[in-house]
Amino acid sequence: GQNIDQPTEMTATEGAIVQINCTYQTSGFNGLFWYQQHAGEAPTFLSYNVLDGLEEKGRFSSFLSRSKGYSYLLLKELQMKDSASYLCAVRDSNYQLIWGAGTKLIIKP
Amino acid sequence: ETGVTQTPRHLVMGMTNKKSLKCEQHLGHNAMYWYKQSAKKPLELMFVYNFKEQTENNSVPSRFSPECPNSSHLFLHLHTLQPEDSALYLCASSQGQDTGELFFGEGSRLTVL
Repeated sequence: GQNIDQPTEMTATEGAIVQINCTYQTSGFNGLFWYQQHAGEAPTFLSYNVLDGLEEKGRFSSFLSRSKGYSYLLLKELQMKDSASYLCAVRDSNYQLIWGAGTKLIIKP
Repeated sequence: ETGVTQTPRHLVMGMTNKKSLKCEQHLGHNAMYWYKQSAKKPLELMFVYNFKEQTENNSVPSRFSPECPNSSHLFLHLHTLQPEDSALYLCASSQGQDTGELFFGEGSRLTVL
């Protein structure tokens, strides 16, 4: 079956750096997405990787290794507003989105 | 208005009630989706509409009935629900089916008593 694994919860300190990992086993690969979802709000798009390597967007970066079935989301200079759930999703060979259960990130002062 | 708007934001219903969830997108997208989000579980795709035509029904029970009158509006009609149907129901849209990123509404929190 198809599967996306990411940690259930992580805690980090304001101003620090945190890396949220996502591993996947899917039938084919047509891109990987990261979304941010604050409690009670809509998920919002953060990043998209389809080729290996690092995509940087301000304080957020996303990395992909297709051979390892692995991605991570790197958040730098953490702010309290970064407390949210982070969802990893992979588009498979049928262009279906396979979702992880999300990682709840708690930022402490 | 911009983005994806869902109403109502919260809904409590008994198992014998009939209610509907509404979604409207102002992004000019051609594809619209219904997802179910339960605590600590991955998003579950329920239905997909592309150019108003239903293209996906992920084995969803018939007590959930979608309707897409045009590319901007999507409804989810609810009837004879079960307590385990309590969840956050998210509507999303994208430029085309299975292309590009999804734009989500804030969801309708459903509680079935």
